[in-house]
Amino acid sequence: NAGVMQNPRHLVRRRGQEARLRCSPMKGHSHVYWYRQLPEEGLKFMVYLQKENIIDESGMPKERFSAEFPKEGPSILRIQQVVRGDSAAYFCASFDFGRLNTEAFFGQGTRLTVV
Amino acid sequence: DQQVKQNSPSLSVQEGRISILNCDYTNSMFDYFLWYKKYPAEGPTFLISISSIKDKNEDGRFTVFLNKSAKHLSLHIVPSQPGDSAVYFCAARTQTGANNLFFGTGTRLTVIP
Repeated sequence: NAGVMQNPRHLVRRRGQEARLRCSPMKGHSHVYWYRQLPEEGLKFMVYLQKENIIDESGMPKERFSAEFPKEGPSILRIQQVVRGDSAAYFCASFDFGRLNTEAFFGQGTRLTVV
Repeated sequence: DQQVKQNSPSLSVQEGRISILNCDYTNSMFDYFLWYKKYPAEGPTFLISISSIKDKNEDGRFTVFLNKSAKHLSLHIVPSQPGDSAVYFCAARTQTGANNLFFGTGTRLTVIP
């Protein structure tokens, strides 16, 4: 049973380009979270999705950031017109919504560097 | 608005001694609490959890204590080992409603050989 897969592991973008980060949850998990970790900081919640539905996007910046989790395929976090301040590690986590008292499993993260 | 707080950014402990990491929360609706461990350049890995119906959960060298009235939980590691050196994140969730998962800012534990 493969774990949470994130790709790419490292992504370099020039200012103004678009960044697309992918997250494939664990098999059977229909809910994912996205988090951002800035250097020397903690994990900041961005968005919580289930397939074809955004449940909570209160942590997402109002502009340039969007997320989706289609019926088929991975969840995508998209950052348009990237700026240097977007450089961070982005983690996604998935969990089994149908079970109580269950942990969320994290991917290895995507490290975005904006140059 | 930080709903989960870890007020100690770092902690150093001698090998073999007890490490105590603390976490406070503000939302009384949280009913499930987790601790994650994170090494550099890796994703967080689950360590131990506790439901709000309990006040203690133990797994080997790791024990989590929950004090609901104080909205406080702690992770005890005993005996501490150099391999325990990592950043530890406390997290909390409500299992009804939004089911969102909130994290603290982390505590960097260094176990000195």
